[in-house]
Amino acid sequence: RKEVEQDPGPFNVPEGATVAFNCTYSNSASQSFFWYRQDCRKEPKLLMSVYSSGNEDGRFTAQLNRASQYISLLIRDSKLSDSATYLCVVNTLSGTYKYIFGTGTRLKVLA
Amino acid sequence: GAVVSQHPSWVICKSGTSVKIECRSLDFQATTMFWYRQFPKQSLMLMATSNEGSKATYEQGVEKDKFLINHASLTLSTLTVTSAHPEDSSFYICSASGARDTQYFGPGTRLTVL
Repeated sequence: RKEVEQDPGPFNVPEGATVAFNCTYSNSASQSFFWYRQDCRKEPKLLMSVYSSGNEDGRFTAQLNRASQYISLLIRDSKLSDSATYLCVVNTLSGTYKYIFGTGTRLKVLA
Repeated sequence: GAVVSQHPSWVICKSGTSVKIECRSLDFQATTMFWYRQFPKQSLMLMATSNEGSKATYEQGVEKDKFLINHASLTLSTLTVTSAHPEDSSFYICSASGARDTQYFGPGTRLTVL
């Protein structure tokens, strides 16, 4: 079983739609959680950290459920510019802190 | 956010040559730097973790004699791919971490070995 699992997609949605991505992780000792966005042939860029209380940044809402080891990202009112791959990242202490990446979920927002 | 640079951004080389990639944290001191590799349509895979002044810790399956990592200062780490072969062609990305555990990624280096 992979340490961090995501549905690879692709998710093809019309502009203005709401889309949700899910992610599960296997290591209960994981410390912190993030969503990164990666555009084609570019490096990942931090979208947002994920907190147990849930957090929102504009059209983006992230949730963490430690009991179920589950992380989600909700994007409201999708824009064409949201088209990218969304990476779920779990920071786990294994000797040193290490990021474990999910395979990413591809989103394509259609006009 | 913090700025991390990588050089070169892309490189094409012949099989058997060695290639050095630099990773610099420009506006903060990075106690730890990480090197990742990403093949097409796959996620980032951690290759090694390096702390300034000490030997890098390599992930399972990554040959330390092939991928030489030097972290000589708090702002610079280098990855040297020795005797590169076509199967080493990939997107190599570094990241740097300061006092907190958040990692900041460099723009990546695209290596093509002919």
